[in-house]
Amino acid sequence: SQQGEEDPQALSIQEGENATMNCSYKTSINNLQWYRQNSGRGLVHLILIRSNEREKHSGRLRVTLDTSKKSSSLLITASRAADTASYFCATVPNTGTASKLTFGTGTRLQVTL
Amino acid sequence: DAGVIQSPRHEVTEMGQEVTLRCKPISGHNSLFWYRQTMMRGLELLIYFNNNVPIDDSGMPEDRFSAKMPNASFSTLKIQPSEPRDSAVYFCASSFMTGSSYEQYFGPGTRLTVT
Repeated sequence: SQQGEEDPQALSIQEGENATMNCSYKTSINNLQWYRQNSGRGLVHLILIRSNEREKHSGRLRVTLDTSKKSSSLLITASRAADTASYFCATVPNTGTASKLTFGTGTRLQVTL
Repeated sequence: DAGVIQSPRHEVTEMGQEVTLRCKPISGHNSLFWYRQTMMRGLELLIYFNNNVPIDDSGMPEDRFSAKMPNASFSTLKIQPSEPRDSAVYFCASSFMTGSSYEQYFGPGTRLTVT
C-alpha cells in the first residue's frame, strides 16, 4: 500500500476559500514534502517539513506535521483558480542515510471562479 | 538552467517494439529518478541512481525494463519488448542528494502509448 495517503481524493472549492488537504503515512520519517502537479506537467516541489518541525509557512501555504499521529496537512489560504492541480505528499524514511521519496496518491483540487 | 529535459515528449508505438526514453538531469545534481504515473497505480518509482550508480531498482516491473546512466548528464529507460500495459507517463527527476533533506526536480514527462 502507499506510504502516503492523501485525503480527500478530490476537493472542489470557490476562489478565495481555503483548501485543506491531509496526508497520513505509516513509518518513521526524516521529512515530509508536498508537491503540486498541474495537468499534463511534472511535479513541482512546494515545501519540506522535517520531523522535528511542527509547522511551516511559505506564502499562502501552511504545512503542519504531527509525528505522533503520522499525519500532515497542507493549507492553501485564499485560493486562486491557478491553484487548481493535484497535490501529493512524499515522505523520506528515517533510516539514517539518504533514501528515496515515497509519494502518496494525491488530492485533486479544483478552484472555481 | 533549463531544468530536467526529457525526450521524446510523446511516443506512440506498437506492441513488441523497443522504446527508449531519455533524460538529461539538472547540471550538478547527483541523483536521478525514473517514475511511472498511471491513473490506476499513481506515481511509482522505477529506479534511482546516485552518482551514476543504480541504487534501488526494486520498482522496475520486469526484465523488459532496463535503465542506464552512462554519465552524470544522461540517462535512458528502455522497454523491450513494449506491451499495451506499459502505456503511462514516464517522469525523470533529479536532485542534489546530501543526507535526507532534498527536493526533486521533475521533467515534463514522456507520454507513452503502446497499441
